[in-house]
Parts: sequence; C-alpha cells; structure tokens
Amino acid sequence: AQTVTQSQPEMSVQEAETVTLSCTYDTSESDYYLFWYKQPPSRQMILVIRQEAYKQQNATENRFSVNFQKAAKSFSLKISDSQLGDAAMYFCALKGGSNYKLTFGKGTLLTVNP
Amino acid sequence: GAGVSQTPSNKVTEKGKYVELRCDPISGHTALYWYRQSLGQGPEFLIYFQGTGAADDSGLPNDRFFAVRPEGSVSTLKIQRTERGDSAVYLCASSRGQSGELFFGEGSRLTVL
Repeated sequence: AQTVTQSQPEMSVQEAETVTLSCTYDTSESDYYLFWYKQPPSRQMILVIRQEAYKQQNATENRFSVNFQKAAKSFSLKISDSQLGDAAMYFCALKGGSNYKLTFGKGTLLTVNP
Repeated sequence: GAGVSQTPSNKVTEKGKYVELRCDPISGHTALYWYRQSLGQGPEFLIYFQGTGAADDSGLPNDRFFAVRPEGSVSTLKIQRTERGDSAVYLCASSRGQSGELFFGEGSRLTVL
C-alpha cells in the first residue's frame, strides 16, 4: 500500500518570500515517482514538478524546487520569490514504478499575501 | 481540443437519480483515468482505461458506479441511484500511455441533494 501525508493543512507566505511545503510518503516499491500538483480554484490539477526516486539530484523547475530525502521518505516543495498566482491548493502525489495509480495527500492550502 | 474536457462542469441532482459525467481526453492519449475528490481531500483513484477496456476498476466504490470508453476516446462515468455521499468533484485525466504525464480536466462537481 502507498500513503502520502501532508501535515500542513494551510500555509501562508509574503509575496517575494520563500515557502516550503512538507510531504512524507511510504511505499514498498523500490522504483517510484513523486509529484507536486497545484490546484487553483478552477479545479484543474496542474503538474508543478516531478522527481524520479532513482535520481539523487533534486528536481528544479524555475522558482520551484524539491528536497528529496529518500531514506527519510520526505519530499518537500520550495517555492522561491512567491507570486500572487502561486496561491492554490498543493498536493503531493506518489506513483509506484509498476503502477499507474497516483496516491495523493490531503493537500496544503497556500495563501500569498501582497 | 487542446486539453482534457469534462462536462458538465456542475451537476445538481436529487437522491436516487441517475447521473452521467463525460470526459473527452487529449487526442491520441490511450490511457484515461477517473478520480474522485471529496471536500477537503486529495483525489482518489476510481478507474483506469487503456484503450477501450477498463484495465483496473478497483477504485469504484460499489456497483452503482460504472464507466465506459467504447471507442477508446471519450469516457462516461455513470452513477445510478445517487446518494448524498456521492457528492464530490469527479476528475478525469489522460496520458500518452501508462507511464506518461497525466493531464487533468477541470472536473465535474456533483451535488446530490
């Protein structure tokens, strides 16, 4: 079984500042993928960043980067230079390498204050 | 279309009624998924299609739920004898094969009164 835990129901950040969203997970698979999705009020899930478990290097996408700690089963998302458009629900998700199902956490609501 | 399209965007129905939710995936995407997102929760897997066949329907909660994809493109999620607990956002996603990136639609919000 796969589980994903997001322990921060809500977070807030000042515009232009940096914020980190936490995620821990559990899986019995040795090959897996981790994702962060953004869900604005439009409800559409948008992929922010992905990390392959076999890669030691942390993934980065412009202002978004992850801190992947495989031994600790931790996968946090750092948003730098936060913008008003970053305000949304953020979901951490896990997919086993031999699987097609995404397992999502409960999400973190990010507020960006001007 | 350019993205995954879901209709209706919102559906309000009465307990006991039958409902159909439609998903039009990105052209050429062979894999199609349905997820259900209840209030305050992350999406939960319902069913996965590879082509026309349901490769995995283990997430469907009970036999009131059924989904089809007869021509390997558009899919319809069907809910019989709706209950208030069925109220949720139903998300559809498609991908280019099983290991491809998932692209989600904007979901259909179902409210059962």
